[in-house]
Amino acid sequence: NAGVTQTPKFRVLKTGQSMTLLCAQDMNHEYMYWYRQDPGMGLRLIHYSVGEGTTAKGEVPDGYNVSRLKKQNFLLGLESAAPSQTSVYFCASIPRGVRAVGELFFGEGSRLTVL
Amino acid sequence: SQELEQSPQSLIVQEGKNLTINCTSSKTLYGLYWYKQKYGEGLIFLMMLQKGGEEKSHEKITAKLDEKKQQSSLHITASQPSHAGIYLCGADILGGSEKLVFGKGTKLTVNP
Repeated sequence: NAGVTQTPKFRVLKTGQSMTLLCAQDMNHEYMYWYRQDPGMGLRLIHYSVGEGTTAKGEVPDGYNVSRLKKQNFLLGLESAAPSQTSVYFCASIPRGVRAVGELFFGEGSRLTVL
Repeated sequence: SQELEQSPQSLIVQEGKNLTINCTSSKTLYGLYWYKQKYGEGLIFLMMLQKGGEEKSHEKITAKLDEKKQQSSLHITASQPSHAGIYLCGADILGGSEKLVFGKGTKLTVNP
C-alpha cells in the first residue's frame, strides 16, 4: 500500500515562480490536510479539505491555494513563491471525522527552497 | 499553533531517566494525537486519545488525557537514545471542525 504520497520530494524555486505540490492517497480518505514545518514552529496548518470539492483555510493560508477536484488528490499551489515559503510541507489524511478514527496518516514530506 | 502549548520546548536527559512532556490548551481537546519525528524524517504515530481520563501505553511510552480534556501528558520510562527526536501533539480543539492543529513540538535528546 502506498498510503500518502507527496510529489515532488525536493524542489528549488526562484522568487516569483509558481509551483504545485501534489498529495495523493489511495486509502479512500475523506479528510486531507496540508501543513508546513519550520524549525521551532512545529506543524502549522495551511489548508484542509473535508471532502471532494471542498477546502477550508487553516492557520497560515496566505500565499497558498488548494484544490480537491478528486477525492484522492489534494493539491497545494504557490502562485508567486517567496523566500518565507521555504519550508518542509507535509500532507496528511484521515478516513473521516477526527473523533471517529485513529491515526492521521502523513506523507514523507516535500522540501521546498525559495531563493 | 498558539492554541496548543507544549512544554518543555527542549529536554536533555541521561539514558535511563524518566521524563514527561505536556500539551495544554485553554479549550477542550477533541481527538488528541501524539507523534514522534526523527530529525529530518517523517512523522511516526504514537497514540490518539479521545476520552477524558483516557490513558494509553506503547512499549515504554504512556500518554494521558486529563478529565477536563484540556491537558495531555506523554511519559517515557527508562529513556533510551532511540527515544530521541521531536514530539508533537495535535488536536481538534473546536470539536467537529476537523481543523487539526499542532503544538510547536518538544525536542528530546537522550545522552548515553
